[in-house]
Amino acid sequence: GAGVSQSPSNKVTEKGKDVELRCDPISGHTALYWYRQRLGQGLEFLIYFQGNSAPDKSGLPSDRFSAERTGESVSTLTIQRTQQEDSAVYLCASSLGPGGNQPQHFGDGTRLSIL
Amino acid sequence: AQSVTQLDSHVSVSEGTPVLLRCNYSSSYSPSLFWYVQHPNKGLQLLLKYTSAATLVKGINGFEAEFKKSETSFHLTKPSAHMSDAAEYFCVVSDLRTASKLTFGTGTRLQVTL
Repeated sequence: GAGVSQSPSNKVTEKGKDVELRCDPISGHTALYWYRQRLGQGLEFLIYFQGNSAPDKSGLPSDRFSAERTGESVSTLTIQRTQQEDSAVYLCASSLGPGGNQPQHFGDGTRLSIL
Repeated sequence: AQSVTQLDSHVSVSEGTPVLLRCNYSSSYSPSLFWYVQHPNKGLQLLLKYTSAATLVKGINGFEAEFKKSETSFHLTKPSAHMSDAAEYFCVVSDLRTASKLTFGTGTRLQVTL
């Protein structure tokens, strides 16, 4: 597709369940990012993948959060044993390459609600 | 560490009047600065970026921003607001040290009234 695609667009689940969120980056983009956006707030960086390098996981809030990426394609963000404070919109972005001057292209996000 | 401060959480303007959304940044290294817009239930769309070229940057939809190093500011402006400009706007900074890790401001919600 032309843009970053995320699925599902909405997810409602019970506290304690595991959830998996998916991101398809723009074809050819080597860099991929996950962010969390809580209601009425800016974006919090979670994790960054660049090519085959080790990911930058410095933003993951706890060991319940993990992410994988296969090569330079799809990425999944997994949250285990979800808590109510995990409720947020999770945004994925990709960019053509590394470097702070490369603009990031965002998907529409997954809205996660923990009951 | 780098940081961004968006001075107004909410701005309201009448359609056809100028828009000013204020942003101040802090960075120890040469920064790259961006403005993104987020419409309801949508992802973020890049409006414009500054990466050490011209200090006056023109973006999409008639928006522009001026990088002022002496004031550590990167305010977003538009001469005439449209109803479709109503959205959340984020000022974002990165620098050579943090590479691809962006730091986002808390956002400014722009309301446009008739």
